[in-house]
Amino acid sequence: AQSVTQLDSQVPVFEEAPVELRCNYSSSVSVYLFWYVQYPNQGLQLLLKYLSGSTLVESINGFEAEFNKSQTSFHLRKPSVHISDTAEYFCAVSEVNTGFQKLVFGTGTRLLVSP
Amino acid sequence: DSGVTQTPKHLITATGQRVTLRCSPRSGDLSVYWYQQSLDQGLQFLIQYYNGEERAKGNILERFSAQQFPDLHSELNLSSLELGDSALYFCASSAGTGGAADTQYFGPGTRLTVL
Repeated sequence: AQSVTQLDSQVPVFEEAPVELRCNYSSSVSVYLFWYVQYPNQGLQLLLKYLSGSTLVESINGFEAEFNKSQTSFHLRKPSVHISDTAEYFCAVSEVNTGFQKLVFGTGTRLLVSP
Repeated sequence: DSGVTQTPKHLITATGQRVTLRCSPRSGDLSVYWYQQSLDQGLQFLIQYYNGEERAKGNILERFSAQQFPDLHSELNLSSLELGDSALYFCASSAGTGGAADTQYFGPGTRLTVL
């Protein structure tokens, strides 16, 4: 079984400051890793995912995440946040080499960007 | 707009009742997933269907059931409702083979309140 830990339930930050949202996972098998974002009163949207290859993955809106196998982490970073980045961010894993996708989510981190 | 639609948006009912939540996936997507999001348990995977067949099961209660119809829309049936079933229920769909690497597209959710 897999589990995902997002230690920070809330991260307040000022606009244009850098931010890191932490994600650690536990699994006895290989997993794919995902970050989803949930804006207020909306469903989740994929931000980025790691499947294989380069351990650094980037999204189109300036976020990036680095897969660290030894530390079982997949932290999400952005060098300069905008007010519009205010949302809840969920890290998730899915076991590789299965014919299905059971996403296991962390508890989420609420990013609050203020002017 | 993800292209996934869910009806109704809100549902208020009483304990012991039965409700049906409906989901229409994005055009062409063969996989449908159901999730429950509550304050107590976070975001939990319930069940996945692929082209009409059950593909994977998560923490779905026996009182809950789902199906995917030939036109690929899906319904989640919740019966003998309890107060603890109050939650946001999301449907998602994916275009791939329904495997672990797929990107899921989430609907806006149905908020169920059990009184």
